[in-house]
Amino acid sequence: EPEVTQTPSHQVTQMGQEVILRCVPISNHLYFYWYRQILGQKVEFLVSFYNNEISEKSEIFDDQFSVERPDGSNFTLKIRSTKLEDSAMYFCASSVGQPAYEQYFGPGTRLTVT
Amino acid sequence: AQTVTQSQPEMSVQEAETVTLSCTYDTSENNYYLFWYKQPPSRQMILVIRQEAYKQQNATENRFSVNFQKAAKSFSLKISDSQLGDTAMYFCAFIKVYSGTYKYIFGTGTRLKVLA
Repeated sequence: EPEVTQTPSHQVTQMGQEVILRCVPISNHLYFYWYRQILGQKVEFLVSFYNNEISEKSEIFDDQFSVERPDGSNFTLKIRSTKLEDSAMYFCASSVGQPAYEQYFGPGTRLTVT
Repeated sequence: AQTVTQSQPEMSVQEAETVTLSCTYDTSENNYYLFWYKQPPSRQMILVIRQEAYKQQNATENRFSVNFQKAAKSFSLKISDSQLGDTAMYFCAFIKVYSGTYKYIFGTGTRLKVLA
């Protein structure tokens, strides 16, 4: 069964550094998402991406964040200058869209900012 | 704004017993879906069950069933004949439909441990 994959599984970076989190969504899916979960808190929506552009973003997704689909398979989340509070689990997800609305999640990347 | 609340951070159940996880939500929308996702340790979230708000009948998937009370905005998950493999974090999620948004609103999760 096709799965969403994410790399790396764990990333440690220093404050102020740029990080790129990578995701390979399911191949026939049209909508792509990033969510994050700070330890002990709820999973929060960051951004959705459709037709090569951002379709929706949350207030968390500020100018430090960007997303890209550089080729037909990868979907990346870049954090330009990481802060301590960016430490979290980042989940990528993809979906076909309507009518099922089911999103398929990757295993997550744990980002630790020191 | 929509919110989803899971009031049970942790639960445990004996193998073969039945357990119910609770979820309440707040919305003024009429068209939405509700989901339960399971996240086993160190694994990705997978869909357990989905309920469309316009359907009165409660969704069922094998040992998993929901009690959907639309007026009360309640969406509980019942796991019958619990198995060790049901040990996981369970998230309740809400999504508006037909609205141009595709984002999930999640609850904080319930950690379920099935005891042998």
